[in-house]
Amino acid sequence: GAGVSQTPSNKVTEKGKYVELRCDPISGHTALYWYRQSLGQGPEFLIYFQGTGAADDSGLPNDRFFAVRPEGSVSTLKIQRTERGDSAVYLCASSLIPGDTQYFGPGTRLTVL
Amino acid sequence: AQSVTQLGSHVSVSEGALVLLRCNYSSSVPPYLFWYVQYPNQGLQLLLKYTSAATLVKGINGFEAEFKKSETSFHLTKPSAHMSDAAEYFCAVSPTTSGTYKYIFGTGTRLKVLA
Repeated sequence: GAGVSQTPSNKVTEKGKYVELRCDPISGHTALYWYRQSLGQGPEFLIYFQGTGAADDSGLPNDRFFAVRPEGSVSTLKIQRTERGDSAVYLCASSLIPGDTQYFGPGTRLTVL
Repeated sequence: AQSVTQLGSHVSVSEGALVLLRCNYSSSVPPYLFWYVQYPNQGLQLLLKYTSAATLVKGINGFEAEFKKSETSFHLTKPSAHMSDAAEYFCAVSPTTSGTYKYIFGTGTRLKVLA
């Protein structure tokens, strides 16, 4: 079946702009996770959804970052007033239930000029 | 707090040689452990996972890893490297206590396979 998909695959924006990154999880997966991978680093956890609610948002770096999952499927990561330090690959993962193996999407490469 | 250390950011092996990628974890209780592989410009693909069953775990593409509680290690091995194994490998830990299901990743090891 289809895996986790993410759009766009690449996003270039200017400092101070607003961006939205989308994640489509594997059908039927109730848990969804966002990670950020900076150059030369491993992925770092941002936020985790169980259904529609954010169960753990302890990894969001500041209040410029926000994520939603209104219908318990697709999720959108929103970044306001982007900064050059936000440049990274944003990875989404889903699992059938919380604690189950996470399956990752291909990521969105965000570049802030 | 849990953490993962991957020794060696770059490892080079000859084609046909043993692959050994090291991973040590820090956790007060045995966690779940994972190895993922990342090919250029692609997402993470699960190689194998340890979830408190057999300590020797076999994964895809001929890889395996052994959980050693006494050494807090989960090293990844493959008897004979293939050119297609060239990629970046990440070890990750997930707590077994309830309340959070985030993965904590190491910084990765880039494997180069020499012809």
